Amino acid sequence: RKEVEQDPGPFNVPEGATVAFNCTYSNSASQSFFWYRQDCRKEPKLLMSVYSSGNEDGRFTAQLNRASQCISLLIRDSKLSDSATYLCVVNNGRNNAGNMLTFGGGTRLMVKP
Amino acid sequence: GAVVSQHPSRVICKSGTSVKIECRSLDFQATTMFWYRQFPKQSLMLMATSNEGSKATYEQGVEKDKFLINHASLTLSTLTVTSAHPEDSSFYICSARDREGPSYNEQFFGPGTRLTVL
Repeated sequence: RKEVEQDPGPFNVPEGATVAFNCTYSNSASQSFFWYRQDCRKEPKLLMSVYSSGNEDGRFTAQLNRASQCISLLIRDSKLSDSATYLCVVNNGRNNAGNMLTFGGGTRLMVKP
Repeated sequence: GAVVSQHPSRVICKSGTSVKIECRSLDFQATTMFWYRQFPKQSLMLMATSNEGSKATYEQGVEKDKFLINHASLTLSTLTVTSAHPEDSSFYICSARDREGPSYNEQFFGPGTRLTVL
């Protein structure tokens, strides 16, 4: 079983739609959680951190459910520019630097006009 | 702030040659840098953690003699792919932590280096 699992998609949605991605992680001792966005042939960029209380940043809402070891990302009012691969990332803190990030395989989103 | 650069952005080389990739933190000091590899349609996989002034820590399955890492200063880490072969063709991405910054736990990624070995 992968440490961080995501539905690879693609999710094809029209502009203005609401779309949700889920991610599950296997290590119950994981310490922190993030959503990154990666455009084609580019480096990943931090979209938002995910807190136990949930957090919202504009059209983006992230939630963490520790009991089910599930992380979600909700995008409202999708824009064409939201088309990208969304990476679920978990910090297990295992390596000496205490900051080992484990990446999910990514979920590809394509927003159509 | 928190900008990480990589050089070169793209390299094409012949099989058997060695390729050096540089990762620099431009506006902060990074005692720890991370090297990732990403194959097409796959996610990033951590290869090694680079610590300034000490030996790198390699992940399981990554050959330390093939992927040489040097972190000689607080702003520079290098990854050398020795005797490169076509199966080493990949997207290599580094990241760095700004331990003194407000987001000390965040990793900032470089733009990546696309290596193609012929």
